[in-house]
Amino acid sequence: SAVISQKPSRDICQRGTSLTIQCQVDSQVTMMFWYRQQPGQSLTLIATANQGSEATYESGFVIDKFPISRPNLTFSTLTVSNMSPEDSSIYLCSVLTGLRGYTFGSGTRLTVV
Amino acid sequence: AQKVTQAQTEISVVEKEDVTLDCVYETRDTTYYLFWYKQPPSGELVFLIRRNSFDEQNEISGRYSWNFQKSTSSFNFTITASQVVDSAVYFCALIYNQGGKLIFGQGTELSVKP
Repeated sequence: SAVISQKPSRDICQRGTSLTIQCQVDSQVTMMFWYRQQPGQSLTLIATANQGSEATYESGFVIDKFPISRPNLTFSTLTVSNMSPEDSSIYLCSVLTGLRGYTFGSGTRLTVV
Repeated sequence: AQKVTQAQTEISVVEKEDVTLDCVYETRDTTYYLFWYKQPPSGELVFLIRRNSFDEQNEISGRYSWNFQKSTSSFNFTITASQVVDSAVYFCALIYNQGGKLIFGQGTELSVKP
């Protein structure tokens, strides 16, 4: 299965600033997914990122707040813009990989103060 | 509607006890996939098992076993002789078309005490 390197693993940010999270996959994948996990909650899909096209956002998530780049088949970034304390969450990227279904990055634990 | 329900929010057991985590799903599709993931305190998601809707055989992997019953739309997970290292949040998830999005249950936090 694919191996995903996700950076940063954690960060503490000031409100009003932006943070860009990176995911690097060790193989080419068509679709990459970005999830948010708010404290004590389940995972919620933010968007699906396909290479060469605009990301598809789920209800409740907008491009201005969570812009995504997908410049090639092994890399993607998610930016959390104009952050507020409500954005404090774990953010995870994921790719679809064969029989195991989905492989997840190690997550970015974001705290906004 | 596509939905996964994990009714048990928290479970606490003593080491060596057996514990079953419940998962009930809803989907109109005849082809779907079910998953279990483990999320230790470090935060990463660890894949445990994937099961497709046409394979109702139960599976055993070491101390872990899974009971898939389409008649009750359940995919329960049992840990035999639990250990402290099993302490984590466990998520059941559903995907109803290949390449589509995973729908997660609310998660069950398992605490295994020595």
